[in-house]
Amino acid sequence: DTGVSQNPRHKITKRGQNVTFRCDPISEHNRLYWYRQTLGQGPEFLTYFQNEAQLEKSRLLSDRFSAERPKGSFSTLEIQRTEQGDSAMYLCASSLALQGLDTEAFFGQGTRLTVV
Amino acid sequence: GQQVMQIPQYQHVQEGEDFTTYCNSSTTLSNIQWYKQRPGGHPVFLIQLVKSGEVKKQKRLTFQFGEAKKNSSLHITATQTTDVGTYFCAGPWGYQKVTFGTGTKLQVIP
Repeated sequence: DTGVSQNPRHKITKRGQNVTFRCDPISEHNRLYWYRQTLGQGPEFLTYFQNEAQLEKSRLLSDRFSAERPKGSFSTLEIQRTEQGDSAMYLCASSLALQGLDTEAFFGQGTRLTVV
Repeated sequence: GQQVMQIPQYQHVQEGEDFTTYCNSSTTLSNIQWYKQRPGGHPVFLIQLVKSGEVKKQKRLTFQFGEAKKNSSLHITATQTTDVGTYFCAGPWGYQKVTFGTGTKLQVIP
């Protein structure tokens, strides 16, 4: 499968625990995005990377959230001290930017987080 | 901050009827993309619009980008049950945060 891969697909955690999600983008894609989606809502932007550089981070993101893309390939999203309000589907997408213009973004299947 | 609204929020149509969803941005968009998300699935890219007044067609789907590049629409002719899902507009894509619209959920009654 050469699409965007996210792991794990599901995660149940107790409130206060830390969780980490992984995203493997399409190999030649230089941009990687993280989104959060709750039921009945559109995807909400969290952050994005151009290669290994994190170019923008949503102001909605608290200090408990951090994302990395150390070698410009896979990315991780960590949530520290999880809260029930963090329960959502976390989506990763990748795209190939050519001369500043994005081509289509490919989304992974997402990681569904449930905080109990 | 930028807001992207879509109307209607929900639409139920009889199979064979037409469907239109409208996307309105609070700011000018350099480009816009449309995505379809099936129930339980992830967003899937449909099209990208870049030019003012641009119209693109994909079989029964027609996409328009407004002259002022602040609104867009998606029109489906003769809906089929396979068209069921939520349609999102999103933009701008590039060196900026991408905002997804609120989405229009389409239900097609056979």
